[in-house]
Amino acid sequence: AQKVTQAQTEISVVEKEDVTLDCVYETRDTTYYLFWYKQPPSGELVFLIRRNSFDEQNEISGRYSWNFQKSTSSFNFTITASQVVDSAVYFCALSEEGYSTLTFGKGTMLLVSP
Amino acid sequence: DGGITQSPKYLFRKEGQNVTLSCEQNLNHDAMYWYRQDPGQGLRLIYYSQIVNDFQKGDIAEGYSVSREKKESFPLTVTSAQKNPTAFYLCASSMAGRNTEAFFGQGTRLTVV
Repeated sequence: AQKVTQAQTEISVVEKEDVTLDCVYETRDTTYYLFWYKQPPSGELVFLIRRNSFDEQNEISGRYSWNFQKSTSSFNFTITASQVVDSAVYFCALSEEGYSTLTFGKGTMLLVSP
Repeated sequence: DGGITQSPKYLFRKEGQNVTLSCEQNLNHDAMYWYRQDPGQGLRLIYYSQIVNDFQKGDIAEGYSVSREKKESFPLTVTSAQKNPTAFYLCASSMAGRNTEAFFGQGTRLTVV
């Protein structure tokens, strides 16, 4: 069975601080896919990134970066110089090869204050 | 604009009544999904469909039913058998079988009164 754990329920930072959201996953498959989604107050989930299990390169997109480490089964997300607009719930998710359904973590609520 | 439309945004239901949540997509995706979100919880899969006229139960299908008569539409019925239906319901779609990202609608918040 697959599982995603986001141990941080809520994080509060002040604008311009860097913040890292943790994600630890469990799966028996050797081929799998990891995702991060953002859920702003409006409710819909916004896709941020998809990573397959064979690609351990870290990725940077503007102020966002992701660190994928198979050795620790982690896929952590860092926001550099946080902004108030980053306030949202962030979900990490996993899907196994050939299955398009997602297993989600419980999410981390990020509050960025001015 | 391409996307997923869920309606209504807010829904109130009396206990014992069935209610149907609408989900329509114009992304030409084969796969569609229904997830339920409760406060402090992640999203849990209710039902999914990989192709028209076929669907499978997810982790929490009891008390729910779906149909997939058209590629664009995947309505969810919350029946009176669902013991705790008050929740936020999210519909999503994706290309089938390729582990690509799913696109989500804006959700329907259902409250049982």
